[in-house]
Amino acid sequence: AQKITQTQPGMFVQEKEAVTLDCTYDTSDQSYGLFWYKQPSSGEMIFLIYQGSYDEQNATEGRYSLNFQKARKSANLVISASQLGDSAMYFCAMREMGGTSYDKVIFGPGTSLSVIP
Amino acid sequence: NAGVMQNPRHLVRRRGQEARLRCSPMKGHSHVYWYRQLPEEGLKFMVYLQKENIIDESGMPKERFSAEFPKEGPSILRIQQVVRGDSAAYFCASSPPLDRRYEQYFGPGTRLTVT
Repeated sequence: AQKITQTQPGMFVQEKEAVTLDCTYDTSDQSYGLFWYKQPSSGEMIFLIYQGSYDEQNATEGRYSLNFQKARKSANLVISASQLGDSAMYFCAMREMGGTSYDKVIFGPGTSLSVIP
Repeated sequence: NAGVMQNPRHLVRRRGQEARLRCSPMKGHSHVYWYRQLPEEGLKFMVYLQKENIIDESGMPKERFSAEFPKEGPSILRIQQVVRGDSAAYFCASSPPLDRRYEQYFGPGTRLTVT
């Protein structure tokens, strides 16, 4: 069963505008972590932001913020003031902290973001 | 502090040959993970290792694939008798022990092409 859903295969945003990339997840664990990674065309995986399931506040890292809605099981990434260098694939990921799969990170299929000058 | 190192960055093998992919985790990290990314797809977990132990290999294909993380030296992902479907990017990640809050730090990946 797919555990991470990213419904937007491709997104466009105007430079300097904000953009929201959607992510929903499925888990029965109470303790889990949510991540967003960026993969530019060069191929490396760049960690952006982390949200723990027990964190009461939404995570923020510079221009990145995570809109965490636990009841809806969603963890959307918000990028403010988009820059041309933000054009990349973005992956939402989850790490379940309980059971035998506690160290496995599950990735979503990704969203391709293109920033238009 | 060097990040996760993977080599080679690019590997070309003919069908039937063996591929060996190496991963050196970040200093102080004792947990290593291997992921595979097929073209136009997300990363898929393959195996999780600690020093001299395979902890979770639920994502490894049953045949031809093996992984090890010896006491000394890098972690190795080995693919025997490669086929065209093995062409993919293989990423290694490492994380520190005990604190599961930390994200996994990824290496730059090895791009395997099977001709």
